[in-house]
Amino acid sequence: DIQMTQSPSTLSASVGDRVTITCRASQTISRSLAWYQQKPGRPPKLLIYKASNLESGVPSRFSGGGSGTEFTLTINSLQPDDFATYYCQHYIGYPYTFGQGTKLDI
Amino acid sequence: EVQLLESGGGLAQPGGSLRLSCAASGFTFVSYAMTWVRQAPGKGLEWVSFISANSAVIYYIDSVKGRFTVSRDNSENTVYLQMSSLRAEDTAVYYCAKVSTTAIKGYLDYWGQGTLVTVSS
Repeated sequence: DIQMTQSPSTLSASVGDRVTITCRASQTISRSLAWYQQKPGRPPKLLIYKASNLESGVPSRFSGGGSGTEFTLTINSLQPDDFATYYCQHYIGYPYTFGQGTKLDI
Repeated sequence: EVQLLESGGGLAQPGGSLRLSCAASGFTFVSYAMTWVRQAPGKGLEWVSFISANSAVIYYIDSVKGRFTVSRDNSENTVYLQMSSLRAEDTAVYYCAKVSTTAIKGYLDYWGQGTLVTVSS
């Protein structure tokens, strides 16, 4: 199975900051990577697919990059609504696996 | 508007069974694969099962093989997860999620609100 490792596990930031979360796959997954945002008590919400494609309705301050085994999620000019937990997930094949999550807090 | 509504969660004893349902609307259900993803309390996301649009292809995570069965009724726009021989480690919120493409592999573009399964004596 492909292991997905996110770093950091926790990230403290302030409104207006620029932050980057990294996701590493244990083997190449091309660009078959998605990023999700989850808030407490809520289901995950798709942000980015195919490593860098922004889902419709997601603010442009979110961006994704990378290919192969290393990927990034960058949030420019953090807004109060962005404080949440972020997960990466590969979909190159089954079983799908998620990163352990990155909690972004103030 | 795509909607996914899970039901069937609750308290089950170890060794017991539960059947989860996920009612879908707002898209052509018969064309898309569906998955189940779970999240133990305070933990991360874990993919559990996949079923293709025509039910011909089914996958499970190793920890549930032989205990869980996924199925779907395309006439009712509903996907099911039959869970048997439940263990304490199956305790989680179970989400159904729509696969983004009509192919086997794709990201998960819509998620239900989840249903809580608690396995305890």
